[in-house]
Amino acid sequence: AQSVTQLGSHVSVSEGALVLLRCNYSSSVPPYLFWYVQYPNQGLQLLLKYTTGATLVKGINGFEAEFKKSETSFHLTKPSAHMSDAAEYFCAVSMFTGGFKTIFGAGTRLFVKA
Amino acid sequence: DAGVIQSPRHEVTEMGQEVTLRCKPISGHNSLFWYRQTMMRGLELLIYFNNNVPIDDSGMPEDRFSAKMPNASFSTLKIQPSEPRDSAVYFCASSSGTFYSGGYTFGSGTRLTVV
Repeated sequence: AQSVTQLGSHVSVSEGALVLLRCNYSSSVPPYLFWYVQYPNQGLQLLLKYTTGATLVKGINGFEAEFKKSETSFHLTKPSAHMSDAAEYFCAVSMFTGGFKTIFGAGTRLFVKA
Repeated sequence: DAGVIQSPRHEVTEMGQEVTLRCKPISGHNSLFWYRQTMMRGLELLIYFNNNVPIDDSGMPEDRFSAKMPNASFSTLKIQPSEPRDSAVYFCASSSGTFYSGGYTFGSGTRLTVV
């Protein structure tokens, strides 16, 4: 069965510091991988996605993620955190295995300290 | 593009009452999804439609929940009768093309409180 694990329900960084949000997945077939961001009282917004091709994908707001098949990981990074990055981030995996499902991780809330 | 539009944004109702949530997907998107978000269970897929046809409703928690998509521009999620444990934020999302590879566009959600 497919699953998504986000390590750390809360991550705190200082403004200007590296942001690293971890995501591991399990899948029996090649997955499609996504990161979404949710600001308070809003819906989820797609940050970036990996489907095929280049394993390093760039998204909006300076975020990027690298698909590592050997590690079944898709960690999200940003070189320098900004106060406006404070939000909740969700990793998601989609795959077709006779039926279609997109599974979301539990989310990681990012705090950015001034 | 106005995005995915959900109404109402907030709904407070008494236990036992019928609740109807509405969603207008992005024009041209052929897949529509209903999710429920709670602190305890995170994001749960309730049901999804492809070309207005329900494909998988295995996430619908009980017979009290029903969803329809009468045309490409409108969908409803109904709860009858509502219970306090239905309190959550309900999101509608839509996507185009190969529905599992393109990513979704989410609406702003409906916060439902059942008292």
